[in-house]
Amino acid sequence: DSGVTQTPKHLITATGQRVTLRCSPRSGDLSVYWYQQSLDQGLQFLIQYYNGEERAKGNILERFSAQQFPDLHSELNLSSLELGDSALYFCASSVDPLTGGSNEQFFGPGTRLTVL
Amino acid sequence: AQTVTQSQPEMSVQEAETVTLSCTYDTSENNYYLFWYKQPPSRQMILVIRQEAYKQQNATENRFSVNFQKAAKSFSLKISDSQLGDTAMYFCALSGGATNKLIFGTGTLLAVQP
Repeated sequence: DSGVTQTPKHLITATGQRVTLRCSPRSGDLSVYWYQQSLDQGLQFLIQYYNGEERAKGNILERFSAQQFPDLHSELNLSSLELGDSALYFCASSVDPLTGGSNEQFFGPGTRLTVL
Repeated sequence: AQTVTQSQPEMSVQEAETVTLSCTYDTSENNYYLFWYKQPPSRQMILVIRQEAYKQQNATENRFSVNFQKAAKSFSLKISDSQLGDTAMYFCALSGGATNKLIFGTGTLLAVQP
């Protein structure tokens, strides 16, 4: 158990819908990362938050957005869903390496999204 | 841009034998980290081993060790005394620069045969 929790574990929805994925980082970790794992794109970085602020953006679609709340949990919002958005979405957390952390990221169990 | 390449899509090894998974990378950062993650059928991402680029000594974790060749930008994983539980997808990953984001390779599916 990494200490990172993600809900829900599975999500099945229809095209055009909107969903919210939730992540709670390990206790004490200020950084949260979102990754998407799909058959055609592999594992790719979407976005990073640090202590409530967006720190880095990767290949995240405009239909997707995220935020990190004062209690440090994060939500990834996916809207106008398409078949190609079906994937496993991981959240990871870490201590900030820029302030002396180890750079190691701890992954949650993932949310499997199926868009029908 | 940072890239990670794993050229072995699949590998197979007999139980108790040794296997080496290859990884090459490219980065312009001076300070970076390299990782091997294991993803078993449960799909959980599990950190196997980590290497700081500024350290010359190769990292080891029990049966897992790396061969880090900085000049060649190569980072291979050696698994000794392979066990059935080692059967999984293995991802090589790189992080560095102002963010800590991980750049992953395409993975190597390792099957340990009894």
